[in-house]
Amino acid sequence: GQQLNQSPQSMFIQEGEDVSMNCTSSSIFNTWLWYKQDPGEGPVLLIALYKAGELTSNGRLTAQFGITRKDSFLNISASIPSDVGIYFCAGRASGGSYIPTFGRGTSLIVHP
Amino acid sequence: DGGITQSPKYLFRKEGQNVTLSCEQNLNHDAMYWYRQDPGQGLRLIYYSQIVNDFQKGDIAEGYSVSREKKESFPLTVTSAQKNPTAFYLCASSGSQGAYEQYFGPGTRLTVT
Repeated sequence: GQQLNQSPQSMFIQEGEDVSMNCTSSSIFNTWLWYKQDPGEGPVLLIALYKAGELTSNGRLTAQFGITRKDSFLNISASIPSDVGIYFCAGRASGGSYIPTFGRGTSLIVHP
Repeated sequence: DGGITQSPKYLFRKEGQNVTLSCEQNLNHDAMYWYRQDPGQGLRLIYYSQIVNDFQKGDIAEGYSVSREKKESFPLTVTSAQKNPTAFYLCASSGSQGAYEQYFGPGTRLTVT
């Protein structure tokens, strides 16, 4: 099946810093999704990307669909304590199942 | 408001008992899914259903069963055959025909002792 590598596994940052995380796949993807999961809650969809090169923002979050179609990036600017949580990427391969493959998540901790 | 509900939020059971987790959605989505999440691990797919009265096994279906009698509902039964049932269970739904983004419920934390 598809392999999806998400990095880093965890991040410890100071409030106000910018954050960057990424996912790479072994296959070409036609959809990338980014989710945030608060402790003890279900993941919430942050951004969906459908086109290679696409750059989409949602407040302080910006995600990009890589040109090679095998990677995606999520940036968070000026982090705040409520950014704490686990961020998951997910993607659908071209011609593959409609069910997305999920990365293992990036755990973000923000120190005030 | 449209969304996905899971109940209860916390569930405790004794070993050897079957337990059913509820999942309801009013998003008019065709597809529904069950995932299991363990600490430090990603989401593992248990079962999924594309339409009413049809469902497919995911990657870790052993010890679980589901039904899909209504479009809005997709209950998951954790049977006594599941060797390590203690986990966080997430239900999700998605549209079809190109709208494949999954939307998740709040989850049920099951503890079996």
